[in-house]
Order: sequence, then structure tokens, then C-alpha cells
Amino acid sequence: AQTVTQSQPEMSVQEAETVTLSCTYDTSENNYYLFWYKQPPSRQMILVIRQEAYKQQNATENRFSVNFQKAAKSFSLKISDSQLGDTAMYFCAFMNMDSNYQLIWGAGTKLIIKP
Amino acid sequence: DSGVTQTPKHLITATGQRVTLRCSPRSGDLSVYWYQQSLDQGLQFLIQYYNGEERAKGNILERFSAQQFPDLHSELNLSSLELGDSALYFCASSVVMNTEAFFGQGTRLTVV
Repeated sequence: AQTVTQSQPEMSVQEAETVTLSCTYDTSENNYYLFWYKQPPSRQMILVIRQEAYKQQNATENRFSVNFQKAAKSFSLKISDSQLGDTAMYFCAFMNMDSNYQLIWGAGTKLIIKP
Repeated sequence: DSGVTQTPKHLITATGQRVTLRCSPRSGDLSVYWYQQSLDQGLQFLIQYYNGEERAKGNILERFSAQQFPDLHSELNLSSLELGDSALYFCASSVVMNTEAFFGQGTRLTVV
């Protein structure tokens, strides 16, 4: 069975700093996607970034980028020039593309951006 | 706005009652997922539908059921409600099963 682990329950950084959230996963599959979702205080779930396992290049979306280490089964999220609006819960999720496409979720990291 | 619509946004009901949560997926999305999120918890997968058919089941209680209709909207039925069922219930949709899911704003259910 696949599992997703987020080892940092809470982090806080100053505005404009760079922060990295860690995520590791366990799977024997080879064809999968990884995602980072953000849940601000409004509780809306917002897709931040997606990485296909077959792609070697790390995904980037503006200030958000990932460090995907397939052999190490690691998928960290880097937020550059952090903003107050980045304050949220961040969830890492795994989807097996050869199975039922169910999303497996980590427990989340609460990120606080301080002014 | 993700394009996924959930109604109602808030629901307060008594123990033992039955409620129905509704989800309209994004236009063109065939797959619908239901999740439960209790306070300060992660997401618990309940059930997934694809083009009207059930495709995957997670930790869904027997008191809960769901369906996806021909117009692709979905309903989650919760019966014999208990205090512990109080949670935020999310619906998400995706184009097919193997793409990212977009979430609705959730229905906050409070059982008193």
C-alpha cells in the first residue's frame, strides 16, 4: 500500500524568505503523479503544483517549485519570496496511475508566514 | 473559483437525522471524488465515481452512500448521523481519472 509522510507538522518563516516543505512517499509502483495542495484558512483546497513521476525535470509554478527525487521517494515543495497569503495548510498527495487513481494524502504541514 | 459547486455550504442537523450533500463537477469532468475532513485532520477518501459508475471506495461508513447521476452531478447521503460525523465534506472532480482533482468549497456539517 502506498503511504505519504509529511514530517513537519508546523513551520513558520518571515515574509520574503524561502521555505521548503518536505514530503516522502512509499510505493512499489512506477507510474504515478505527485501533487501539492494548499488549504488556506478559508478551507478551500487549491492545487499548487503537479509532478509526473516519468518526468525528470522538476515542476515549477511561479514562486513554487518542487525537488523530486524519485529514487529517494522524496517530493519537497519550495516556496520562494514567501507572502502572507501563503499562510495555509499544505498537503502532499500521491496518485497511482496504474490502479484506481485514488489520491493518498499526507497529514499536512501548517505554514505560517510572519510579517 | 475551481468550477466545482457544492451545496449547501453549511448544514446543522440533529443526531439520527439524514442529510444529502450535492456536488456539481466542473464542466466536462467525468470523475467525482468525495472526501471527509474532520477538524484539524487530513483528508479521508470516501468514494469515487467515474461517468456514473462507482470506481473506488475508501473509508466510507455503511450509513453513508453516494451516487453520480447521468448529468454527472453527485450526491452524498449521510444517515443516522452521529456527533462524530461533524466535518467538512469535500467534493472534487477531474476530467478523467488520471488527472489532478479540483475541489469545491466544501459543505460544513455540524451534528448537534
